[in-house]
Amino acid sequence: QVQLVHSGAEVKKPGASVKVSCKASGYTFTAYYMHWVRQAPGQGLEWMGWVNPDSGGTNYAQKFQGRVTMASDTSISTAYLEVSRLTSDDTAVYYCAREPSNGIFDHWGQGTLVTVSS
Amino acid sequence: QSALTQPASVSGSPGQSITISCTGTSSDVGSYNFVSWFQQQPDKAPKLIIYEVTKRPSGVSNRFSGSKSGNTASLTISGLQAEDEADYYCCSYAGRSTSWVFGGGTKLTVL
Repeated sequence: QVQLVHSGAEVKKPGASVKVSCKASGYTFTAYYMHWVRQAPGQGLEWMGWVNPDSGGTNYAQKFQGRVTMASDTSISTAYLEVSRLTSDDTAVYYCAREPSNGIFDHWGQGTLVTVSS
Repeated sequence: QSALTQPASVSGSPGQSITISCTGTSSDVGSYNFVSWFQQQPDKAPKLIIYEVTKRPSGVSNRFSGSKSGNTASLTISGLQAEDEADYYCCSYAGRSTSWVFGGGTKLTVL
């Protein structure tokens, strides 16, 4: 069965960077885009961007351009999200979600909580 | 402020039907039939319940249905059950530059 397993919770200081991983299993990793979506405490979902594991291509939401990097390692079927210059507004659960096509985010990871605090 | 507008909350009694609206613009909902709906239980990851406006993934109850008219998409839940109490989010494609946008979410309370 399809599984997306996130790395553990992180606590970071303002100005630092964080790298979150999402390990995929149960399907051909390179056949599906991987999206990243975040959710601040008590807030809604926010789309951040995607990585194409087959080509390495990426597309970021304008809000995050210059501050996020999405990548993948096909040898271990893992997608990565790195966010730099963290502020308290980046405190959120970060989810990876698989997309076969057309916004069909059909499987989601359990999420990684990133807390930014001095 | 979210790109797509949803009511903050809706409620209904068991057995009733409710509809949640998702209003966008001619640049997103109005231009593409790539509207999805997600159900999120407390402290859980979102779950896909509707995609491409009207389609249901395998295993999702046929009590959930989707539609679209102009710039507004809608999710209808019929025969409300206690287990339907959750947050619901819509999502739409918004073109190459913006890509994907979510609604602000709607909290469904089953009375």
